[in-house]
Amino acid sequence: EVQLVQSGPEVKKPGESLKISCKGSGYSFTTYWIGWVRQMPGKGLEWMGIIYPGDSETRYSPSFQGQVTLSADKFTRTAYLQWTSLKASDTAIYYCARLFNIWYFDLWGRGTLVTVSS
Amino acid sequence: QSVLTQPPSVSGAPGQRVTISCTGSSSNIGAGYNVHWYQQFPGTAPKLLIYNNNNRPSRVPDRFSGSKSGTSASLAITGLQAEDEADYYCQSYDSSLSGSVFGGGTKLTVL
Repeated sequence: EVQLVQSGPEVKKPGESLKISCKGSGYSFTTYWIGWVRQMPGKGLEWMGIIYPGDSETRYSPSFQGQVTLSADKFTRTAYLQWTSLKASDTAIYYCARLFNIWYFDLWGRGTLVTVSS
Repeated sequence: QSVLTQPPSVSGAPGQRVTISCTGSSSNIGAGYNVHWYQQFPGTAPKLLIYNNNNRPSRVPDRFSGSKSGTSASLAITGLQAEDEADYYCQSYDSSLSGSVFGGGTKLTVL
């Protein structure tokens, strides 16, 4: 089955670090870009950035550049989204999604809920 | 404020036709970049609804259609059904941001 399986919900304190994952299966993981999308509580979708697992090339939205780090391990078919110092405003659902021809998301993970609270 | 502007909400009665607009600018839709649409039900991940302005994945009913003109795009839903009640998002590439952007989303209510 073609799917993206994301890691489970996280509860963290401000200032803590976090790395969430997205594992692809059922397709050629290294030949599709993977993107990350944030959805804050009750809000819309925000394009964060994308990574090409074949060579780990990354492109970030200006809004998220320097705030998060995208990485990928082509051998374990897993993409990652990482924070070094979380803020309460990072509380959101984070979706990973596969891009078709780098333009649109044709396959989505179920999302990872990240809650940052003291 | 999203780079792509959508109405916050639209509504229609069962069987009616509704449209959702997505207004951009010369750095995204007006520059010729394609527009894509997603449907999201509460508590679930978005799903691709329309790609490249007016193409539907095979699983999407032909009641859904997309169009693009100038700096705007539209999603039309005909024969509205209760199951269509969801949030809808447009997406396109923006050359000034060197990345994709989403519209703010539109909540469709079936009366």
